[in-house]
Amino acid sequence: NAGVTQTPKFQVLKTGQSMTLQCAQDMNHEYMSWYRQDPGMGLRLIHYSVGAGITDQGEVPNGYNVSRSTTEDFPLRLLSAAPSQTSVYFCASSSGTGGRSPLHFGNGTRLTVT
Amino acid sequence: KNEVEQSPQNLTAQEGEFITINCSYSVGISALHWLQQHPGGGIVSLFMLSSGKKKHGRLIATINIQEKHSSLHITASHPRDSAVYICAVPNFGNEKLTFGTGTRLTIIP
Repeated sequence: NAGVTQTPKFQVLKTGQSMTLQCAQDMNHEYMSWYRQDPGMGLRLIHYSVGAGITDQGEVPNGYNVSRSTTEDFPLRLLSAAPSQTSVYFCASSSGTGGRSPLHFGNGTRLTVT
Repeated sequence: KNEVEQSPQNLTAQEGEFITINCSYSVGISALHWLQQHPGGGIVSLFMLSSGKKKHGRLIATINIQEKHSSLHITASHPRDSAVYICAVPNFGNEKLTFGTGTRLTIIP
């Protein structure tokens, strides 16, 4: 039981490049979410999904796309990377929504955009 | 949006001391989360509680729903407790969590 697996762990992009951050969970959780963590700020929600085929925007969605074709996978796509997207990204899953179930986090991806 | 405030922002203590970290929020909630983030970066869920008190080992979390306040206590603190502790609360009526900025705890041997 691996929990939540995020790849890659580190990534450096040039401005304008695109990439996909991968997130997979093996706990059959319906709820998955992506957060970014910046110095001095709390985790901020980028996008979330309450089940396969259903996604919605969070607090800071601009510049990011998501899809949820299976229960297990929830990739985050950066369409055209900008220095403002330099951050640490976390994927999380839970069995319930609305904060009523414990969150399980991946180990994070440290992204630098130059 | 639920506003979350944690205090203190930074806390340094000697090994063995009793530690208290506080979290206040602005809107009534169904449950509050306490998370731990170690220097390596990974985030682990410690507690989810909606009333009263929960205990796990040397960690105790309490919540006062009327006062919209929660505390995380660590008894007999140890250097391995050094981490950032984060509280999070759901926004009323939707699926989203608001996270505090965290309390950075350093325990000195």
